Order: sequence, then C-alpha cells, then structure tokens
Amino acid sequence: QKEVEQDPGPLSVPEGAIVSLNCTYSNSAFQYFMWYRQYSRKGPELLMYTYSSGNKEDGRFTAQVDKSSKYISLFIRDSQPSDSATYLCAMSGGGSYIPTFGRGTSLIVHP
Amino acid sequence: NAGVMQNPRHLVRRRGQEARLRCSPMKGHSHVYWYRQLPEEGLKFMVYLQKENIIDESGMPKERFSAEFPKEGPSILRIQQVVRGDSAAYFCASSSSRESYEQYFGPGTRLTVT
Repeated sequence: QKEVEQDPGPLSVPEGAIVSLNCTYSNSAFQYFMWYRQYSRKGPELLMYTYSSGNKEDGRFTAQVDKSSKYISLFIRDSQPSDSATYLCAMSGGGSYIPTFGRGTSLIVHP
Repeated sequence: NAGVMQNPRHLVRRRGQEARLRCSPMKGHSHVYWYRQLPEEGLKFMVYLQKENIIDESGMPKERFSAEFPKEGPSILRIQQVVRGDSAAYFCASSSSRESYEQYFGPGTRLTVT
C-alpha cells in the first residue's frame, strides 16, 4: 500500500460544477496537509495547506482534513476552464517537514 | 522575478554522458529540495540541502547521483553516466526554513536520455 493514494483521473466536469478531489493516507503521523496545482509542463504551485483536522476556505477553494479517516479533500466551487490542471496532495509530519506527494489527479473543466 | 529558477529547462543527453541541473532558490531562501517526477508517478523526494550541507539524501539513488549547494552559486544536481531510466522531469523547490511547509517550486528541467 502506498503511503498516499490519489486517483489519477482524468476527472472531466462542465464549467460551473463543484469539483471534489481526494486523497487517502496511511501514516497517522502526518499533520500538515497541502494541495498543489500543476499546469502542464510547469512546476507545482502551492494552493492551500491545513494543519491537523478541520476545514480551510480560500475563495473558491476549500480544503478539508479528516484525520480519523485518514482522508483529505479539496473542493473547487464554480469551476472554470482555467482550473484544468493536475492537483497534487501532499502531507508531512512525524518529525519530518519533507512532504510525501500523491501522484496527482488530472482535472479537465470544459466550457 | 524572484522565483525559483532552474536551468536548463530541457536537456538531452546520450547514454553514458553526465547531466548537470541547476537551481537558484527564491531570494532569501537557503533551503533547497530536489524532486523527480516520472510519467504516471507523483513527485518523489530526492535530496534536501542547506548552504554547504546535505541535510537529507534518503531519496537519492546510491550510485551516479550527487547534489551540492555551495556557499556561492546555485544548487546542482549531477547525474553521471545517464541511462534511459533517468529520463524525467526534475524539480527544485526552496523554502525559508527547515520547519516551513511552504515550498516554492521552479519550472523544472526535463531530461531526455537517448
């Protein structure tokens, strides 16, 4: 079992839809949870982070962490074609600040 | 632009040659991380460096790969005697401190071994 599992997709949705992206993990020591966005042929860009459990909102993006289920989510409201990218979850903890990444979910928002 | 710089952006090497990848961290950052990204795989950590020190190289292959971050100049990831399996995108990230979760990534170097 990989430490971080993420469905690679692709996930195809119409413009304006609510998108839900998810990751599961096995290491209970993880405390820091991040979401990165990566456009094709570019470097990852940090979108959001959360510490421990709970929700965090930033504009159209909401990050959610459920440590009891070892499950994290990123919700995108009113999705736009410009949101089309690969979304990588990442997490760290247990004395290490080096993140472990999921393989990424490819999102396609079509007009 | 004070972002993370990587060069070259694309590098083609024949099997057996050496590849040198360079990374200049964000202004004010002294912590550098190298990652490798293969098709169908996520980002894999390779090595973490501070100026003149290797802090964590647990993700680095034991042979042919080395990294440095000298007092002056960029961090360099060096791959000797490249093989086709080394073809990948190599990303560098930097942060302001060891405890920072915020890593800023460069645009990557795409290495192709022919």
